[in-house]
Amino acid sequence: NAGVMQNPRHLVRRRGQEARLRCSPMKGHSHVYWYRQLPEEGLKFMVYLQKENIIDESGMPKERFSAEFPKEGPSILRIQQVVRGDSAAYFCASSKKKGAEAFFGQGTRLTVV
Amino acid sequence: KNEVEQSPQNLTAQEGEFITINCSYSVGISALHWLQQHPGGGIVSLFMLSSGKKKHGRLIATINIQEKHSSLHITASHPRDSAVYICAPLTGGGADGLTFGKGTHLIIQP
Repeated sequence: NAGVMQNPRHLVRRRGQEARLRCSPMKGHSHVYWYRQLPEEGLKFMVYLQKENIIDESGMPKERFSAEFPKEGPSILRIQQVVRGDSAAYFCASSKKKGAEAFFGQGTRLTVV
Repeated sequence: KNEVEQSPQNLTAQEGEFITINCSYSVGISALHWLQQHPGGGIVSLFMLSSGKKKHGRLIATINIQEKHSSLHITASHPRDSAVYICAPLTGGGADGLTFGKGTHLIIQP
């Protein structure tokens, strides 16, 4: 039973490009959470999704950021027109149900040059 | 808003020492995660606990819900334990309710 899989592990984008980060939850998990870890800062919640639904996006910047978790396939965090300040590690976690233990992925380290 | 304080922020110890990392939080919670992050690495969930004590190998986590305090202990510490340990109390029902401490940077010297 593979853990939470994130890809790519490292992503380099030029300013203005788009970044797409993927997260495949653990088998049997239908709840996905995205967090951002800025350099030298703690983790911050971004968005919580269930299959085909965004449950809570209160931590997501209002512009340029979007997330989806389609019926089939991984959850995608999409950042349009990236800026240097978007450089961070983005972690995904999944759980079987609300309130159950969450398991984290290896993260995607985004560098905007 | 849940304020999470971890102490110490940095800890360097010798191999074999008993390590304690503390976490205090300000609001009522349903559970608490202890997470481990190696430099440049992913995040591993060590424990999720809502009461009492849990043990896994050389790691022990305790929580006192009334006092809003949790501790992570490492017995017979080893250089491979060197990592950042993050306390994450859970308010509300799901991992969207996780608040993260800034982490304790632990270095175990051989």
